[in-house]
Amino acid sequence: GAGVSQSPRYKVTKRGQDVALRCDPISGHVSLYWYRQALGQGPEFLTYFNYEAQQDKSGLPNDRFSAERPEGSISTLTIQRTEQRDSAMYRCASSLGDARYNEQFFGPGTRLTVL
Amino acid sequence: DQQVKQNSPSLSVQEGRISILNCDYTNSMFDYFLWYKKYPAEGPTFLISISSIKDKNEDGRFTVFLNKSAKHLSLHIVPSQPGDSAVYFCAASGYSSNTGKLIFGQGTTLQVKP
Repeated sequence: GAGVSQSPRYKVTKRGQDVALRCDPISGHVSLYWYRQALGQGPEFLTYFNYEAQQDKSGLPNDRFSAERPEGSISTLTIQRTEQRDSAMYRCASSLGDARYNEQFFGPGTRLTVL
Repeated sequence: DQQVKQNSPSLSVQEGRISILNCDYTNSMFDYFLWYKKYPAEGPTFLISISSIKDKNEDGRFTVFLNKSAKHLSLHIVPSQPGDSAVYFCAASGYSSNTGKLIFGQGTTLQVKP
């Protein structure tokens, strides 16, 4: 079956613009995670959902970042008033549940560049 | 502060030999550890995991060792193959009870030479 998909794969935007990054998880996966990965670093947790409920948003850097998963499937990560420091790879992962032993399947990521 | 650290950015090994990738952590609340492997232009994929109640877990050529007293884990690949060349991330969870939130290290790039 299809894996986790993310769109767009690449996004270039100007500082101050809003961007919306989309994640389409594996069908039937309850949990959905967003991570941010800077060059040369590992993924950094941002937020996660079980179904449509946002369970933990402790990793969101500030209030310009928000995420939603209104129907418990596709999720959107929105960054308002983008800044150059927001440039990074944004990764989405999904899993059957949020228990630690549930494998997280990662998407290919969206490379965001803020000019 | 980096709670999960991979202090070696890169490692080069000859095909057929053992590859040893190391990872240290600082938070004693971590109780589940994972290794992910990442090829260029792809997302990380799960490789192997270990619970803190064990000190070793083996899956084919891959073995993960956990030393809780030293807060250290390592991934052994024997024998190494050119297809193992990738970036390897160590990750930990358990910081927030029973969630899948993962804390990753910086990654180690492994190159296996034919």
